[in-house]
This record gives sequence, C-alpha cells and structure tokens, in this order.
Amino acid sequence: EIVTTQSPATLSVSPGERVTLSCRASQSVSSDLAWYQQKPGQAPRLLIYGASTRATGIPARFSGSGSGTEFTLTISSLQSEDFAVYYCQQYNNWPPWTFGQGTKVEIK
Amino acid sequence: QLQLQESGPGLVKSSETLSLTCTVSGGSISSSRYYWGWIRQPPGKGLEWIGTIYYSGTTYYNPSLRSRVTISVDTSRNQFSLKLGSVTAADTAVYYCARHGSIVGAQHYDYWGQGTLVTVSS
Repeated sequence: EIVTTQSPATLSVSPGERVTLSCRASQSVSSDLAWYQQKPGQAPRLLIYGASTRATGIPARFSGSGSGTEFTLTISSLQSEDFAVYYCQQYNNWPPWTFGQGTKVEIK
Repeated sequence: QLQLQESGPGLVKSSETLSLTCTVSGGSISSSRYYWGWIRQPPGKGLEWIGTIYYSGTTYYNPSLRSRVTISVDTSRNQFSLKLGSVTAADTAVYYCARHGSIVGAQHYDYWGQGTLVTVSS
C-alpha cells in the first residue's frame, strides 16, 4: 500500500500570501496524484488531477507540480474562500486508493 | 450535471449492519469509463477509501474493512449500495459516494455526493 504524507498538518496564513502544501508518496506514483479542497460541512472538491491539471472551474491561483514521490500544491495569493483542509490522493497503485491525512489552512 | 445522493439510516446500533445507497442522476452508472466508490470521514478526521465498484459488478475493497464490507450495483436503478457489518463506534462517520475514472491515470474523484452522517449507537 502506498502511503501519502502531507506537510505541514496546519498552516497559518494571512490573506494575499502565497501558500505551498506538500505531499510525499512512499513510492513513485508517477503523475497519478490529485488534490482536493474540503470546507466544513461540505464534500471534498477536486482541484488538481494528474499532479498539475486544474479541474473545471478551478481558479488559476491554484497550481500543482511534482512527479514520482514529491508533490506540491501552490495557492499564489490566498483568498478568504481558500481557508479549508486540503487532501492529496494517489491513484497509481491500487487498491487501495489512498489519501493523505490533510493540511488545514487557517487564518493567521 | 452529474449528481450523487446518499440515502439510508443516520443511526445504526452497535453490532448491526450499516446500509447506504447512492443514487446517480444526470449520467449513467453503466458507463465503462467510471468506477463508483464509497469514502468515509470520521468526525474531525481525514478521508478513508472504503471500496469501489464497476458497473459490471467488479469490486475492490479496503483490506482493513474487507471482511465486513459488501458493495453492490443496480444498473436498472442507477444506484450502488454499501453494507458494512458488525459496526462499532469507530464506524461513526460521514459517508460519501463518489465517481472516479476507470482508465489508468485518470482515477481521481471528480463528482461527490453531499455525504451522510451515520452514527453508531450502543
């Protein structure tokens, strides 16, 4: 089973700042990695798939990069609506399809 | 626009079986391009994949839950269902149904249901 580890667990940020979230896989997943955003009381929403492709309707301030075992989600200028929990998920080696434990982006 | 909707009891007694159904609208569950999955989230915790089914009935289960999980599909009703047996308080969670691609390299979850909270009571 591939384990995906996200860091940090919590990030305290001010609006307008650039944010970088990390996801590390225990073995190579090529580019088969997605990022999701989850707000309280809501289902996760797909942001990025294929490590770097934005899903439909996702603002350009969200970008993904990486391949193999190291991945990054960057929010270029954090907006108020971006405070949420972010999860990565690998889909290269399955089952199981595995999620990271999440990074919470909170207001500083 | 594809929509998924979970339904089922919100309260289940310990040691009994949790049963949920996901109804898919706006698209066919019989598409060869997609899998249909169940994911859960205990209160305040992260996401855990439970299992996945293909329209043909092929299933994949999380090894940690395999002995207690059954997922089935009813293509005539455009629904798929989850049964989780011998539940305990640890199974209390929001349960989501979701769609993900069946093609290698495209298996991200693109549509999710709103989720339903299931509480296991003693």
